Amino acid sequence: QSALTQPASVSGSPGQSITISCTGTSSDVGGYNYVSWYQQHPGKAPKLMIYDVSKRPSGVSNRFSGSKSGNTASLTISGLQAEDEADYYCCSYAGSSTWVFGGGTKVTVL
Amino acid sequence: QITLKESGPTLVKPTQTLTLTCTFSGFSLSATGVGVGWIRQPPGKALEWLALVYWDDDKRYSPSLKSRLTITKDTSKNQVVLTMTNMDPVDTATYYCAHRLPGSWYFDYWGQGTLVTVSS
Repeated sequence: QSALTQPASVSGSPGQSITISCTGTSSDVGGYNYVSWYQQHPGKAPKLMIYDVSKRPSGVSNRFSGSKSGNTASLTISGLQAEDEADYYCCSYAGSSTWVFGGGTKVTVL
Repeated sequence: QITLKESGPTLVKPTQTLTLTCTFSGFSLSATGVGVGWIRQPPGKALEWLALVYWDDDKRYSPSLKSRLTITKDTSKNQVVLTMTNMDPVDTATYYCAHRLPGSWYFDYWGQGTLVTVSS
Protein backbone atom coordinates (compact mmCIF):
# COMPACT_ATOMS: atom_id res chain seq x y z
CA GLN A 1 0.00 0.00 0.00
CA SER A 2 1.66 3.20 -1.19
CA ALA A 3 0.35 6.68 -0.54
CA LEU A 4 -1.74 8.20 -3.31
CA THR A 5 0.01 10.88 -5.36
CA GLN A 6 -1.16 14.47 -5.10
CA PRO A 7 0.53 17.68 -6.27
CA ALA A 8 2.26 19.40 -3.38
CA SER A 9 0.62 22.71 -4.07
CA VAL A 10 -2.03 24.36 -6.21
CA SER A 11 -2.88 28.03 -6.29
CA GLY A 12 -5.49 30.27 -7.81
CA SER A 13 -6.99 33.72 -7.60
CA PRO A 14 -10.33 34.42 -5.93
CA GLY A 15 -13.19 33.40 -8.18
CA GLN A 16 -11.10 31.02 -10.26
CA SER A 17 -11.43 27.25 -10.39
CA ILE A 18 -8.68 24.85 -9.40
CA THR A 19 -8.38 21.08 -9.66
CA ILE A 20 -6.38 18.76 -7.44
CA SER A 21 -5.47 15.35 -8.78
CA CYS A 22 -5.06 12.14 -6.80
CA THR A 23 -3.40 9.21 -8.55
CA GLY A 24 -3.43 5.68 -7.25
CA THR A 25 -3.59 2.21 -8.72
CA SER A 26 -6.15 -0.33 -9.79
CA SER A 27 -5.99 -1.69 -6.23
CA ASP A 28 -7.34 1.48 -4.70
CA VAL A 29 -8.59 4.51 -6.66
CA GLY A 30 -9.17 2.57 -9.85
CA GLY A 31 -10.72 -0.42 -8.18
CA TYR A 32 -13.45 1.22 -6.11
CA ASN A 33 -15.75 4.23 -6.31
CA TYR A 34 -14.84 5.04 -2.73
CA VAL A 35 -12.63 8.09 -2.94
CA SER A 36 -13.10 10.77 -0.30
CA TRP A 37 -11.57 14.21 0.11
CA TYR A 38 -10.74 16.04 3.33
CA GLN A 39 -10.02 19.70 3.99
CA GLN A 40 -7.64 20.57 6.81
CA HIS A 41 -6.96 24.04 8.11
CA PRO A 42 -3.81 24.57 10.20
CA GLY A 43 -4.08 23.05 13.64
CA LYS A 44 -7.50 21.59 12.91
CA ALA A 45 -8.86 18.11 12.33
CA PRO A 46 -9.64 17.03 8.77
CA LYS A 47 -13.16 17.75 7.50
CA LEU A 48 -14.97 15.51 5.02
CA MET A 49 -15.71 17.41 1.80
CA ILE A 50 -16.46 14.69 -0.77
CA TYR A 51 -17.23 10.98 -0.45
CA ASP A 52 -17.88 8.16 -2.89
CA VAL A 53 -15.95 10.10 -5.56
CA SER A 54 -18.48 12.85 -6.12
CA LYS A 55 -21.00 13.09 -3.29
CA ARG A 56 -21.11 16.08 -0.95
CA PRO A 57 -22.03 15.81 2.72
CA SER A 58 -24.77 18.07 3.94
CA GLY A 59 -23.41 21.54 4.61
CA VAL A 60 -20.50 21.40 2.18
CA SER A 61 -20.60 24.10 -0.48
CA ASN A 62 -21.54 23.03 -4.01
CA ARG A 63 -18.37 24.82 -5.13
CA PHE A 64 -16.63 21.56 -4.25
CA SER A 65 -16.98 18.69 -6.70
CA GLY A 66 -15.27 15.39 -7.30
CA SER A 67 -14.72 13.03 -10.18
CA LYS A 68 -12.68 10.01 -11.20
CA SER A 69 -11.20 8.58 -14.34
CA GLY A 70 -9.29 5.34 -14.21
CA ASN A 71 -6.74 5.44 -11.42
CA THR A 72 -6.98 9.21 -10.94
CA ALA A 73 -9.52 11.10 -8.88
CA SER A 74 -9.92 14.85 -8.88
CA LEU A 75 -11.28 17.54 -6.60
CA THR A 76 -12.39 20.80 -8.19
CA ILE A 77 -13.00 23.96 -6.24
CA SER A 78 -14.89 26.55 -8.24
CA GLY A 79 -15.33 30.20 -7.32
CA LEU A 80 -12.22 30.01 -5.14
CA GLN A 81 -12.56 31.91 -1.85
CA ALA A 82 -10.04 32.93 0.78
CA GLU A 83 -11.54 30.43 3.22
CA ASP A 84 -10.68 27.59 0.84
CA GLU A 85 -6.98 28.06 1.59
CA ALA A 86 -6.08 24.84 3.37
CA ASP A 87 -4.52 21.43 2.89
CA TYR A 88 -6.55 18.84 1.00
CA TYR A 89 -6.15 15.09 1.25
CA CYS A 90 -7.65 12.39 -0.91
CA CYS A 91 -8.35 8.97 0.54
CA SER A 92 -9.28 5.73 -1.15
CA TYR A 93 -10.66 2.46 0.06
CA ALA A 94 -8.05 -0.15 -0.76
CA GLY A 95 -9.94 -3.37 -0.13
CA SER A 96 -10.20 -5.65 2.91
CA SER A 97 -11.32 -2.69 5.04
CA THR A 98 -8.11 -0.76 4.61
CA TRP A 99 -7.63 2.81 3.45
CA VAL A 100 -4.84 4.82 1.89
CA PHE A 101 -4.40 8.59 1.97
CA GLY A 102 -2.72 10.92 -0.47
CA GLY A 103 0.30 13.03 0.30
CA GLY A 104 -1.76 16.19 0.59
CA THR A 105 -2.04 19.37 -1.48
CA LYS A 106 -1.65 22.87 -0.13
CA VAL A 107 -4.14 25.22 -1.76
CA THR A 108 -3.14 28.87 -1.81
CA VAL A 109 -5.54 31.66 -2.70
CA LEU A 110 -3.49 34.39 -4.34
CA GLN B 1 -24.43 14.81 17.73
CA ILE B 2 -21.36 12.66 17.19
CA THR B 3 -18.18 13.63 18.99
CA LEU B 4 -14.87 11.86 19.50
CA LYS B 5 -11.93 12.79 21.68
CA GLU B 6 -8.47 11.28 21.87
CA SER B 7 -6.48 11.02 25.08
CA GLY B 8 -3.15 9.62 26.13
CA PRO B 9 0.44 10.57 26.87
CA THR B 10 1.98 13.54 25.12
CA LEU B 11 5.50 12.17 25.47
CA VAL B 12 6.80 8.62 25.22
CA LYS B 13 10.33 7.29 25.13
CA PRO B 14 11.76 5.25 22.27
CA THR B 15 10.98 1.52 22.54
CA GLN B 16 8.02 2.17 24.84
CA THR B 17 4.44 1.18 24.07
CA LEU B 18 1.92 3.92 23.31
CA THR B 19 -1.67 3.56 24.51
CA LEU B 20 -4.27 5.98 23.19
CA THR B 21 -7.95 6.12 24.07
CA CYS B 22 -10.75 7.43 21.90
CA THR B 23 -13.85 8.35 23.90
CA PHE B 24 -16.93 8.99 21.81
CA SER B 25 -20.57 9.97 22.12
CA GLY B 26 -23.57 10.25 19.87
CA PHE B 27 -23.39 6.72 18.51
CA SER B 28 -23.01 3.16 19.72
CA LEU B 29 -20.22 0.85 18.65
CA SER B 30 -22.64 -2.02 19.06
CA ALA B 31 -24.81 -0.74 16.20
CA THR B 32 -24.50 -2.81 13.05
CA GLY B 33 -21.97 -1.48 10.59
CA VAL B 34 -20.41 1.18 12.78
CA GLY B 35 -16.63 1.45 12.92
CA VAL B 36 -14.02 3.61 14.65
CA GLY B 37 -10.63 4.15 13.08
CA TRP B 38 -7.30 5.71 13.91
CA ILE B 39 -5.34 7.99 11.58
CA ARG B 40 -2.09 9.79 12.33
CA GLN B 41 -0.25 12.80 10.92
CA PRO B 42 3.42 13.59 11.58
CA PRO B 43 4.10 17.32 11.93
CA GLY B 44 3.91 18.95 8.51
CA LYS B 45 3.24 15.64 6.78
CA ALA B 46 0.38 13.63 5.37
CA LEU B 47 -2.38 11.62 6.98
CA GLU B 48 -1.83 7.89 7.41
CA TRP B 49 -4.56 5.36 8.15
CA LEU B 50 -3.61 3.01 10.99
CA ALA B 51 -6.43 0.77 12.12
CA LEU B 52 -10.18 0.29 12.42
CA VAL B 53 -12.49 -1.76 14.64
CA TYR B 54 -16.02 -2.68 13.65
CA TRP B 55 -19.15 -3.13 15.77
CA ASP B 56 -18.70 -6.90 15.56
CA ASP B 57 -15.08 -6.69 16.83
CA ASP B 58 -13.62 -7.28 13.37
CA LYS B 59 -10.26 -5.47 13.35
CA ARG B 60 -8.23 -4.17 10.42
CA TYR B 61 -4.71 -2.80 10.36
CA SER B 62 -2.38 -0.95 8.05
CA PRO B 63 -0.22 -3.65 6.43
CA SER B 64 2.96 -1.67 7.11
CA LEU B 65 2.26 -1.29 10.84
CA LYS B 66 0.21 -4.37 11.56
CA SER B 67 2.87 -6.06 13.70
CA ARG B 68 2.98 -3.09 16.08
CA LEU B 69 -0.70 -2.19 16.41
CA THR B 70 -3.59 -3.47 18.48
CA ILE B 71 -7.04 -1.94 18.45
CA THR B 72 -9.72 -2.84 20.97
CA LYS B 73 -13.16 -1.56 21.89
CA ASP B 74 -15.10 -1.21 25.12
CA THR B 75 -18.70 -0.75 24.07
CA SER B 76 -19.94 -0.16 27.60
CA LYS B 77 -17.52 2.74 28.07
CA ASN B 78 -17.88 4.10 24.51
CA GLN B 79 -14.15 3.82 24.04
CA VAL B 80 -11.69 2.50 21.51
CA VAL B 81 -8.07 1.92 22.48
CA LEU B 82 -5.07 1.82 20.17
CA THR B 83 -1.73 0.46 21.32
CA MET B 84 1.47 0.81 19.32
CA THR B 85 4.59 -1.01 20.43
CA ASN B 86 8.26 -0.16 20.03
CA MET B 87 7.76 3.55 19.54
CA ASP B 88 10.37 5.47 17.55
CA PRO B 89 10.90 9.20 16.98
CA VAL B 90 9.42 8.78 13.48
CA ASP B 91 6.13 7.90 15.18
CA THR B 92 5.87 11.45 16.50
CA ALA B 93 2.51 12.61 15.18
CA THR B 94 -0.96 13.85 15.90
CA TYR B 95 -3.17 10.82 16.32
CA TYR B 96 -6.84 11.11 15.34
CA CYS B 97 -9.76 8.77 15.88
CA ALA B 98 -12.68 8.92 13.48
CA HIS B 99 -16.18 7.51 12.98
CA ARG B 100 -17.10 5.24 10.10
CA LEU B 101 -20.75 5.28 9.09
CA PRO B 102 -22.38 1.89 8.45
CA GLY B 103 -22.04 0.88 4.82
CA SER B 104 -19.64 3.72 4.05
CA TRP B 105 -16.00 3.85 3.13
CA TYR B 106 -15.02 7.22 4.55
CA PHE B 107 -14.67 8.93 7.90
CA ASP B 108 -17.37 11.47 8.58
CA TYR B 109 -16.53 12.64 12.10
CA TRP B 110 -13.06 13.15 13.53
CA GLY B 111 -11.68 13.88 16.95
CA GLN B 112 -9.54 16.93 17.57
CA GLY B 113 -6.39 14.84 17.63
CA THR B 114 -3.68 14.37 20.23
CA LEU B 115 0.01 15.10 19.63
CA VAL B 116 2.37 12.37 20.73
CA THR B 117 6.10 13.09 20.80
CA VAL B 118 8.61 10.26 20.91
CA SER B 119 11.84 11.38 22.50
CA SER B 120 14.28 10.26 25.14
